Amino acid sequence: ETGVTQTPRHLVMGMTNKKSLKCEQHLGHNAMYWYKQSAKKPLELMFVYSLEERVENNSVPSRFSPECPNSSHLFLHLHTLQPEDSALYLCASSQLAGRGEQFFGPGTRLTVL
Amino acid sequence: GIQVEQSPPDLILQEGANSTLRCNFSDSVNNLQWFHQNPWGQLINLFYIPSGTKQNGRLSATTVATERYSLLYISSSQTTDSGVYFCAVCQTGANNLFFGTGTRLTVIP
Repeated sequence: ETGVTQTPRHLVMGMTNKKSLKCEQHLGHNAMYWYKQSAKKPLELMFVYSLEERVENNSVPSRFSPECPNSSHLFLHLHTLQPEDSALYLCASSQLAGRGEQFFGPGTRLTVL
Repeated sequence: GIQVEQSPPDLILQEGANSTLRCNFSDSVNNLQWFHQNPWGQLINLFYIPSGTKQNGRLSATTVATERYSLLYISSSQTTDSGVYFCAVCQTGANNLFFGTGTRLTVIP
């Protein structure tokens, strides 16, 4: 695998389900990000991790819970989501937080019923 | 936060035509990137260009950081160039990219 990978690519879940999104980067980077892209809204940052420490939490509801066990892996745990949380969730990485070129994974398209 | 404005919002071109996309930003930045989002949602890196000029095949980009704008040039457009082009900047001192609302390009044969 090369670059940034995300699984699953598509996810349909009910409002009472618990699921997790996974991101893995193979670039040797130290910063990882979660972004959300909703219909008719620009891409917006959710979380930033630098060297496995969370450095940014962009007022994201607690039903989204990130986890960064090491600098190569990033998870987004989902529970009790709402239909308006349906969106494309994109993971990215860069050498340092806010520094250097960011590379994005292919995204997880989430539908909440 | 920083404001990122892209123009035009929509652009329709005949195959073979040239185009210029513009990105204006409201504050000093230490990073600027151009992306192409394909129909499946993947963001493809086009340029990492906090300042200066770069070229890659039919695409080139120029960022004038002191005047807070960047331009993306597409020459001899092809139908595969269709999609949404995003400009994204990292404000000096910030940890993440702020995205513009994009330019939707449609190239017709």
